[in-house]
Amino acid sequence: DQQVKQNSPSLSVQEGRISILNCDYTNSMFDYFLWYKKYPAEGPTFLISISSIKDKNEDGRFTVFLNKSAKHLSLHIVPSQPGDSAVYFCAASAPNTGKLIFGQGTTLQVKP
Amino acid sequence: EAGVVQSPRYKIIEKKQPVAFWCNPISGHNTLYWYLQNLGQGPELLIRYENEEAVDDSQLPKDRFSAERLKGVDSTLKIQPAELGDSAVYLCASSSGQGRQETQYFGPGTRLLVL
Repeated sequence: DQQVKQNSPSLSVQEGRISILNCDYTNSMFDYFLWYKKYPAEGPTFLISISSIKDKNEDGRFTVFLNKSAKHLSLHIVPSQPGDSAVYFCAASAPNTGKLIFGQGTTLQVKP
Repeated sequence: EAGVVQSPRYKIIEKKQPVAFWCNPISGHNTLYWYLQNLGQGPELLIRYENEEAVDDSQLPKDRFSAERLKGVDSTLKIQPAELGDSAVYLCASSSGQGRQETQYFGPGTRLLVL
């Protein structure tokens, strides 16, 4: 049973436009959510996170939105740049476990 | 500050052979994780250490996998014997262990190919 799902395997966006990556989860006990970016042959790199007590967190071009009632979070990248092309993973953490549950990833391609 | 260090970066072995992976976490990080990542999937936790204690190894296939973190710093993950299905990327991550909502930082991973 996939507790964290990224239903879009890939996304293609024009440079300068907005990229929106989506993630759904099933466990209402998750209280911390993270986005990681992964380039080929590298490990996942932490991008941005959000606690379940918030509904938005912003860091430069990256904003994460959390909708707890819908069990949905999204990552917005504005403006998108070619260097943002990578695989993006969302992850969720349950309280007191330290365990991250990852989605399957979405491959973002930003075209010049 | 150095990130999580893993070695080797790549390993090719024949099935039934043993293999070991090494990880050195970020300095001062008490919590260390080993993850398995199959192609096209997100990482899946194998084992989590708090200092030298394995506090979650429920996903570790204990018939062939073992791990240790003897001094609470670096860690080794071993597979013996390796099977074809073990071909994957093995990721190590660490976190500070200071709070409930912690960010995990990943190393570059070891890409294993079992022939």
